Amino acid sequence: DQQVKQNSPSLSVQEGRISILNCDYTNSMFDYFLWYKKYPAEGPTFLISISSIKDKNEDGRFTVFLNKSAKHLSLHIVPSQPGDSAVYFCAASAWETSYDKVIFGPGTSLSVIP
Amino acid sequence: NAGVTQTPKFQVLKTGQSMTLQCAQDMNHNSMYWYRQDPGMGLRLIYYSASEGTTDKGEVPNGYNVSRLNKREFSLRLESAAPSQTSVYFCASSVIRGGGELFFGEGSRLTVL
Repeated sequence: DQQVKQNSPSLSVQEGRISILNCDYTNSMFDYFLWYKKYPAEGPTFLISISSIKDKNEDGRFTVFLNKSAKHLSLHIVPSQPGDSAVYFCAASAWETSYDKVIFGPGTSLSVIP
Repeated sequence: NAGVTQTPKFQVLKTGQSMTLQCAQDMNHNSMYWYRQDPGMGLRLIYYSASEGTTDKGEVPNGYNVSRLNKREFSLRLESAAPSQTSVYFCASSVIRGGGELFFGEGSRLTVL
């Protein structure tokens, strides 16, 4: 039973347009939500996060929105660039006594077309 | 400025063989993790080490063992490899209470025939 879901395995967007990646979660105990970016043959890298007490966090071209009542978050990339083409993992984190338990979604492969 | 280093990057094993994946981090992080990535499954936690001297099971620990050798190093061992363990393995590290921000190595691609 996946606690973090990304229902779109892939997404194609024209360069310069907005990319919107969606994520749903089931557990209300998560206190941080994160997005990781992964290029082929590399490890995932942290992109942006949001605390559960906020509804928006922005970092340059990347904005994450959190809707706690709907248990939904989204990542907006504006404007999209070809270098943004990668797999994006949504993740949710909860402090579990001694460590940050991080649950990952299955990922969405974004292609930005020049 | 290496971050998290994993070896080997590629390995092919026969069913029943054993091997150890090595991981080292130079960021003075307390917590270290081993994940596996499979198509359509995201990253799943195998084992973690909250701090030096402690290790614990994650979501998919069966068939694996780990050793936290010191603060820098965290190894993953497959005692008797099975085809179901064909995957890409990632080591990661973090500060304590880092809000889920993990620093990953480049991955180790393992194929079990």
